[in-house]
Amino acid sequence: DADVTQTPRNRITKTGKRIMLECSQTKGHDRMYWYRQDPGLGLQLIYYSFDVKDINKGEISDGYSVSRQAQAKFSLSLESAIPNQTALYFCATSQGAQNTQYFGPGTRLTVL
Amino acid sequence: GEDVEQSLFLSVREGDSSVINCTYTDSSSTYLYWYKQEPGAGLQLLTYIFSNMDMKQDQRLTVLLNKKDKHLSLRIADTQTGDSAIYFCAESNSGNSGYSTLTFGKGTMLLVSP
Repeated sequence: DADVTQTPRNRITKTGKRIMLECSQTKGHDRMYWYRQDPGLGLQLIYYSFDVKDINKGEISDGYSVSRQAQAKFSLSLESAIPNQTALYFCATSQGAQNTQYFGPGTRLTVL
Repeated sequence: GEDVEQSLFLSVREGDSSVINCTYTDSSSTYLYWYKQEPGAGLQLLTYIFSNMDMKQDQRLTVLLNKKDKHLSLRIADTQTGDSAIYFCAESNSGNSGYSTLTFGKGTMLLVSP
């Protein structure tokens, strides 16, 4: 079974709709992250959480919000989706001094 | 701010060695990482190197770190068609909380031809 899972894997929605992407992990890690990947731009950090009561903005947080419901769950919301939020979204987790991040399989979001 | 630069594309023949290069800016980075992304998949950790090391070898993979020049390279020996993927370099960035985040390069697409 995958250690980091994301739902849904694919989503097509319309401009203005509210969308929630969910991430769950069974690794027991405290730290969780949301990234966005666009072709040719690498990964950009949206939000991150170092424990259940900690939420931090990343480099591109505008238009996004997050909720850390439990140690194992970290969800990303788009309150009012717009076409330039069409991208591949990844969740990741990490732990310890070495802080290696482990990634989920990604969610492909298309906003029409 | 922190920045990680990589060349965007590398093409090699099967059996040759591949060398993917990366430069970074944060001299305080404790760890540097190489991730691999196959089509339609998430990022998979390939290897990492601690900043006080110059070299790390793991089977076909060799990582070289030049801290003075802030240069990191990944060498893949005997490259196979299954190595075709996007390779990301990443540096760790220390935050005020004492925990770090990662800054990723834009990725190098490696294409291995038979």
